[in-house]
Amino acid sequence: NAGVTQTPKFQVLKTGQSMTLQCAQDMNHEYMSWYRQDPGMGLRLIHYSVGAGITDQGEVPNGYNVSRSTTEDFPLRLLSAAPSQTSVYFCASSYAGTGAGNTIYFGEGSWLTVV
Amino acid sequence: DQQVKQNSPSLSVQEGRISILNCDYTNSMFDYFLWYKKYPAEGPTFLISISSIKDKNEDGRFTVFLNKSAKHLSLHIVPSQPGDSAVYFCAARANTGTASKLTFGTGTRLQVTL
Repeated sequence: NAGVTQTPKFQVLKTGQSMTLQCAQDMNHEYMSWYRQDPGMGLRLIHYSVGAGITDQGEVPNGYNVSRSTTEDFPLRLLSAAPSQTSVYFCASSYAGTGAGNTIYFGEGSWLTVV
Repeated sequence: DQQVKQNSPSLSVQEGRISILNCDYTNSMFDYFLWYKKYPAEGPTFLISISSIKDKNEDGRFTVFLNKSAKHLSLHIVPSQPGDSAVYFCAARANTGTASKLTFGTGTRLQVTL
């Protein structure tokens, strides 16, 4: 009963390094997305995907890349890490459609520090 | 421009009493509202939601009220329990969006004391 799984849970990067945050879901959800949570700012959408091969930008996409080669996986890549990307990152997934009963499920989060 | 606002960063309530968490929004395109609960070091978990065609939705101890004219919603927890201590996020979805795009408020930290 895994749901949405994120790895790693904690990571420290040096400025300029690149890395990939992994996200996998086992619920056969069409939609997947990445949010970042910063103090006093709630959760902000970085990128999202409505299905395999389709991605789009959210509110704060700069400095991040995504791809969706399979329904299950939605990795988030930091191209050249900056201290401003120090944050907690959450992956989320849901079924397609905008019906009232459609719930978004979140992973447990990845804590990233850029020094 | 914060489209979803939770103006109270924290709230302390005694066990057994009512907790009322408030949320205001500015975007009239929002048609669906959700509340998420978040414990430290965990991801947000869905709590309760309400469609814009309703003004109230109830689920056990949790009730969400929506006042569309005031662009305001509130979450009532009755009776409050110590396990309810967490950060609560209000979120909203625009009717032109997809299920995966939510706009979140900044959260309210609820502490339920004994």
